[in-house]
Amino acid sequence: GAGVSQSPSNKVTEKGKDVELRCDPISGHTALYWYRQSLGQGLEFLIYFQGNSAPDKSGLPSDRFSAERTGGSVSTLTIQRTQQEDSAVYLCASSLDGNGGYTFGSGTRLTVV
Amino acid sequence: GNSVTQMEGPVTLSEEAFLTINCTYTATGYPSLFWYVQYPGEGLQLLLKATKADDKGSNKGFEATYRKETTSFHLEKGSVQVSDSAVYFCAPTWDNAGNMLTFGGGTRLMVKP
Repeated sequence: GAGVSQSPSNKVTEKGKDVELRCDPISGHTALYWYRQSLGQGLEFLIYFQGNSAPDKSGLPSDRFSAERTGGSVSTLTIQRTQQEDSAVYLCASSLDGNGGYTFGSGTRLTVV
Repeated sequence: GNSVTQMEGPVTLSEEAFLTINCTYTATGYPSLFWYVQYPGEGLQLLLKATKADDKGSNKGFEATYRKETTSFHLEKGSVQVSDSAVYFCAPTWDNAGNMLTFGGGTRLMVKP
């Protein structure tokens, strides 16, 4: 597609429920990144994919968080047993190569009530 | 490890004032350097970049010069406008980290008419 697409744009969920966030990167971009932006905070790195593999999962906050990427394209970030502190905007970005910079999606605003 | 430090905000300026937002990084290698901007209610957009020492990135009247000797990439604009009000993020990326962007904490700029 023309840009990085994320869905849903907004998600309100009850504490304890599981959620799935989706990212559809720019076609041909092999690198895909997930970041989290909490209210009034900077960006927190979560996970990075090169193709379908994730060489760096160091940023995932807990074992409730997981992510996968299939076909070198779409990625899903899953949060199990959501907690209120998971409330944030989850941003996805893709890149053809690092020197070109990233293109970000508009994000998914997750609210855990 | 690799890290980035940028000036804390908020920075409040009058229209047509000169802007500097400081950004320094620590690294064992030579990163590419980026500034991203997030306008109110919008996603992150690439503002400018520099990929090697002494390069100057520029866009929309903003400039930043890659200073290897001081490991800095300060953002400047000679005359800010109200429409420049946004959050600015400094972000180096390192080849040995999968071209992963490491974001600074962001600096909120508020320009008053």
